[in-house]
Formats: sequence, structure tokens, C-alpha cells
Amino acid sequence: GAGVSQSPSNKVTEKGKDVELRCDPISGHTALYWYRQSLGQGLEFLIYFQGNSAPDKSGLPSDRFSAERTGGSVSTLTIQRTQQEDSAVYLCASNIRLAFGTGELFFGEGSRLTVL
Amino acid sequence: QQQVKQSPQSLIVQKGGISIINCAYENTAFDYFPWYQQFPGKGPALLIAIRPDVSEKKEGRFTISFNKSAKQFSLHIMDSQPGDSATYFCAATKGYSGAGSYQLTFGKGTKLSVIP
Repeated sequence: GAGVSQSPSNKVTEKGKDVELRCDPISGHTALYWYRQSLGQGLEFLIYFQGNSAPDKSGLPSDRFSAERTGGSVSTLTIQRTQQEDSAVYLCASNIRLAFGTGELFFGEGSRLTVL
Repeated sequence: QQQVKQSPQSLIVQKGGISIINCAYENTAFDYFPWYQQFPGKGPALLIAIRPDVSEKKEGRFTISFNKSAKQFSLHIMDSQPGDSATYFCAATKGYSGAGSYQLTFGKGTKLSVIP
């Protein structure tokens, strides 16, 4: 498909385990974002990648969270030593960063993480 | 510090009625205000957006009203339909001009239910 693809769609893990969530953005999109959606808390910005620039990591809640983007395309969000409060839907989005900005982020359907 | 406050948290409207969702922001550097619509199990999708140089933007049954001096903006859905039942998020960013990291700051969302 032509949209943002995320995997797995659902992940159940035990407290203390590490998890990896994958995002495959729309081809040609230079910007990639990770957001976390918790019940009743809206969408929380985690990290932003733009081309070859240093990522904006200002939204990562702790050092247990990290993300990388290889080859300017696929991104992996890693959560180490998961905690129950990490349970949420993790959304990935991408867009083309033009000179004037576009405003539209294209979101994937998310990865629902449940930490037992 | 929550930079975009959204209300109400939930809204029930009769079919054919007007749905109104309000948002207020704090950061005067914000220069782009989109609304996203999210259906269950899906990622958010851009619905309509406005820049602060206009006071209103209309697209079909959806209208954004913007009050720069009050730092408030709202979404009006005219002739609401059951198919409009979804969660709506307002957002703001200071990336439209091309500067900044272009991360979107979201409100906490409004769950709209349109009953027949």
C-alpha cells in the first residue's frame, strides 16, 4: 500500500522486557514522527527525524526510549525495560518537509503496546 | 505544561445538529492550526487547517473559526451526521513558515457521537 505502515499492530509484553516497534513511511517522505497516544491524553510527541539532520528527541519521556531511522526511511522505536505506564498506542507519521511546510502528517494505524 | 487545551472531552449531538469543539493555545509563536479526525483503530487524518492571517476557513460542512487575540480556535461541524462520529484533535505548530522542527502539539481530543 501507499500509506504509512507500522508493525506489529499489537504487542503484549511483560514488564521489564524490551520491545521494538517499526515504521515504514510513505516513499519519498523526508520527515518522520513518533507520537504516543494514551487513553484520555491525546497525542504526545516523542521524536522527529528530518532527512539527515539530527533528530529532535525532546519528547522522549525517559532514557528507556530510543529511536533510529536507517537510510532515511524505516524507523524503529525501542523501549527498554518496559513499564506498565508505557502501555499505549504508538503512532508513526510522515510527510514531506517543504520550504513552507505542508501541515499534513500522514499517520499509520499505530502499534498498540500492552505491558503486563 | 499543556500548550493546547481542548474542550469538551466528549460531545453528543443529534443528527443534523451543529457540533462545536473549542481549543485554546498559549504559545503566540504558533502559526498553523490543523484539526485531525480519528476513527477507532485508525490513525488520525487531517480534516482542515487554518493559519492565523485568516479568521475563518470553511470546507464543506466543516468550518474553523480563529480568534488570534483570544488565542482560541474552534471547529464547527454543520448538519452533523452519524458518519462524523469520531475523535477530533486540534493541534498547533510553529513550523508553517519553514522554521522550527514542525512538531505538532495536540489537544487531548474530543470524542464526538452523532446519534440518529
